[in-house]
This record gives sequence, structure tokens and C-alpha cells, in this order.
Amino acid sequence: KAGVTQTPRYLIKTRGQQVTLSCSPISGHRSVSWYQQTPGQGLQFLFEYFSETQRNKGNFPGRFSGRQFSNSRSEMNVSTLELGDSALYLCASSAGSRKETQYFGPGTRLLVL
Amino acid sequence: AQSVTQLGSHVSVSEGALVLLRCNYSSSVPPYLFWYVQYPNQGLQLLLKYTSAATLVKGINGFEAEFKKSETSFHLTKPSAHMSDAAEYFCAVSVEGGGFKTIFGAGTRLFVKA
Repeated sequence: KAGVTQTPRYLIKTRGQQVTLSCSPISGHRSVSWYQQTPGQGLQFLFEYFSETQRNKGNFPGRFSGRQFSNSRSEMNVSTLELGDSALYLCASSAGSRKETQYFGPGTRLLVL
Repeated sequence: AQSVTQLGSHVSVSEGALVLLRCNYSSSVPPYLFWYVQYPNQGLQLLLKYTSAATLVKGINGFEAEFKKSETSFHLTKPSAHMSDAAEYFCAVSVEGGGFKTIFGAGTRLFVKA
């Protein structure tokens, strides 16, 4: 079974631009979660989607948004990029209940200049 | 509110020595607890999880963890460290409420000396 894939793996943007990251979950998984990982803040939960609906959201500004498609693939978008948005963005897929294992992709490393 | 505290941002052990990574949690409901490992430039990989069955949980690569409700702890151990265990380890708790939300600890970087 193919794992979670994320594209692109690396990205360089400048302040003020916007970016869209993509995540393809494991086949059959309906839940996709997004996390931001930085050296200073660690792993922080962004949001979770299940069957195209956002079920949960972390404490991030509205510049961070996401969506999920009918095939469970998910995208997250960051508008008006700031230097502090430089991070590793990880997505994880699961069957969807609280006790299920999350399977993580390799991440997208975003650098904002 | 749920939270996770990992004691020690860095732990160093000699190869063959016991590995002990500490995790304490706070949860208002019976928790679901996880340990993940992250190797450089990679995503996270599940080591083991506690979902209210046996309190001693065995995972991959010889790791195990014991859920102790009285101590609100879920420490990760391995009897004998190997060089390949050098990585960052994250303890996490899955919170209640609508949907799926996992709170991660700050992580503990494990160094293994030859």
C-alpha cells in the first residue's frame, strides 16, 4: 500500500506570496491532518479534514486554510506569507477515529525569504 | 485540556545502555497515547500506542512503554540502545471533541554514543 505523499518536497517563496501544498493520503483513509513543525514551536496542529469537512482547527490565523477533495486528497494554502511561516509542513492520514494511528508523509519544507 | 510534557529535550546514552524517555500527560478523559519517532528529513513514524487495552505496550524496534494512570505517565524504554536509535522522539495524546486532533510533546532528541 502506498504511503502518504506530499508535494512539493521543497519550496522557496518570498514574503507576501501565497503557497499551496498537497497531500495524498493512504488509500482508504478519509482523515487528513496538517501540522506545522518549527524548531521553536515544535509540532503544532493546523487542521483536520474528514470526508471533505473540516472537523477540527488549531490556533493559526486565517491566512492558513485547507480543503479536502472527494478522493480524500487535501491541500493547504497559506496566503500573504511571512518569514515566520518557514517550517516543515507535515500531513498525516488515518481512518479517522481518535485512537487510530496517523501515518505521516515526508513533509514539505517551506522557506520564506 | 489535554497536554503532553516530555522531560528532557536531549538524552544521551551509550550503545547497549538502557533508553528511557519520559512523558507525562494531562487528560480529563481516558487518554489515547502515542510515541512517534522522526529521523532527519523524514516524517513521523509510529513506535507504539496505548488505546486502553494492556498497560504495557510493545512497539517496533524493541521499544515499549507503560501506561501508569496514577502517575499520568507513558515513558518509553528500550533495554539496549543501538546507534540506529538516534533520532527525535515525540509523545502525543489524542484529544476528545469533534474530529481528530493530536497534541504533541516538544520532543526528545536521543543521542547514542559508540
